[in-house]
Amino acid sequence: QKEVEQDPGPLSVPEGAIVSLNCTYSNSAFQYFMWYRQYSRKGPELLMYTYSSGNKEDGRFTAQVDKSSKYISLFIRDSQPSDSATYLCASASGGYNKLIFGAGTRLAVHP
Amino acid sequence: DGGITQSPKYLFRKEGQNVTLSCEQNLNHDAMYWYRQDPGQGLRLIYYSQIVNDFQKGDIAEGYSVSREKKESFPLTVTSAQKNPTAFYLCASSTRGLATEAFFGQGTRLTVV
Repeated sequence: QKEVEQDPGPLSVPEGAIVSLNCTYSNSAFQYFMWYRQYSRKGPELLMYTYSSGNKEDGRFTAQVDKSSKYISLFIRDSQPSDSATYLCASASGGYNKLIFGAGTRLAVHP
Repeated sequence: DGGITQSPKYLFRKEGQNVTLSCEQNLNHDAMYWYRQDPGQGLRLIYYSQIVNDFQKGDIAEGYSVSREKKESFPLTVTSAQKNPTAFYLCASSTRGLATEAFFGQGTRLTVV
């Protein structure tokens, strides 16, 4: 079993839809949770970073962590064609510990 | 502008050759990392370095080598011992460790011909 599982999609939604991207993890020691966005043939860029449980909001993006169920979510409101990318979740137990990445979910937002 | 520069963007290697991928950062970050990305597998850690002249193996270090002679530079050599080197290689750097924030370069796509 991978430490971080993520459905690779692809996920196709119409412009303006609410998108829900999800990951599950198995390591109870994980405390840091990140979401990265990666456009085709580019490097990932950090979108959201959450420590421990709870929600974090940044504009149209909301990251949610439920440690009791080991579930990580990213919600995108009013999705735009420019949101079309691969979204990677990642987790770490902290400090200088390495990040464990999910496989990434490919999202397509069509006009 | 501060950032991470990877070069070249595309690289072709013949069977049995060693090739070196460049990674330079001007963010004054202490930690630097190399990842490999394959379709459907996410990013896997090859090597990382937290300070100059020190580096550690990641999960898939076999067939790779690195050096960290300068804070700004962390080149990766893909040796002929790497049996399946075709992949997208990503370099990253961080101030306090990868768990808090990581800046990635734009990647190098290596293809064995």
